[in-house]
Amino acid sequence: QQQVKQSPQSLIVQKGGISIINCAYENTAFDYFPWYQQFPGKGPALLIAIRPDVSEKKEGRFTISFNKSAKQFSLHIMDSQPGDSATYFCAALTQGGSEKLVFGKGMKLTVNP
Amino acid sequence: DTAVSQTPKYLVTQMGNDKSIKCEQNLGHDTMYWYKQDSKKFLKIMFSYNNKELIINETVPNRFSPKSPDKAHLNLHINSLELGDSAVYFCASSDLGSGGLTQYFGPGTRLLVL
Repeated sequence: QQQVKQSPQSLIVQKGGISIINCAYENTAFDYFPWYQQFPGKGPALLIAIRPDVSEKKEGRFTISFNKSAKQFSLHIMDSQPGDSATYFCAALTQGGSEKLVFGKGMKLTVNP
Repeated sequence: DTAVSQTPKYLVTQMGNDKSIKCEQNLGHDTMYWYKQDSKKFLKIMFSYNNKELIINETVPNRFSPKSPDKAHLNLHINSLELGDSAVYFCASSDLGSGGLTQYFGPGTRLLVL
């Protein structure tokens, strides 16, 4: 039973395009939703995160949109660059417990020059 | 200046052997984690320690035993290695005591069991 479902599994975009990654969750107790970026041979690193009391958060070219009623959230990468080519993971956790991060299966993004 | 470091970076070993992976963080965090990333890149938590106490213990074979000698270190010992243990193992840390939810990952240890 996968608690956080992520799609698509892979995405190829041209430089300057918009990349969109979608995630859906089951557990309504989740109250923190981060996105992690992983380059080949490296560990994941936090990119941006959101809490369910806001519907959108923007940091530079990266925006999270959050729909609490639909239990969905997405990452938009504007003006995608070849340096953005990486694997992106959405995740979720419940605060106040063990703060266990549950990850989606990841999406490999390739941005062509 | 590495925040979360792991040794070794690569580990190639035979089935049935026992091996250990070490992790150290210099961020002053109170919580450390072990994750397993399989060949399909799926990341799953295995264990978590807060101030040297085990707080997360997922359904992991008891051949895997974590040990936290102090807040800055969390080691993973694996007995009787099996082919299916081949994966990348990541250590991570966070500062839960200060409300910090960001987990900082190490570079990973690539384990190959032959």
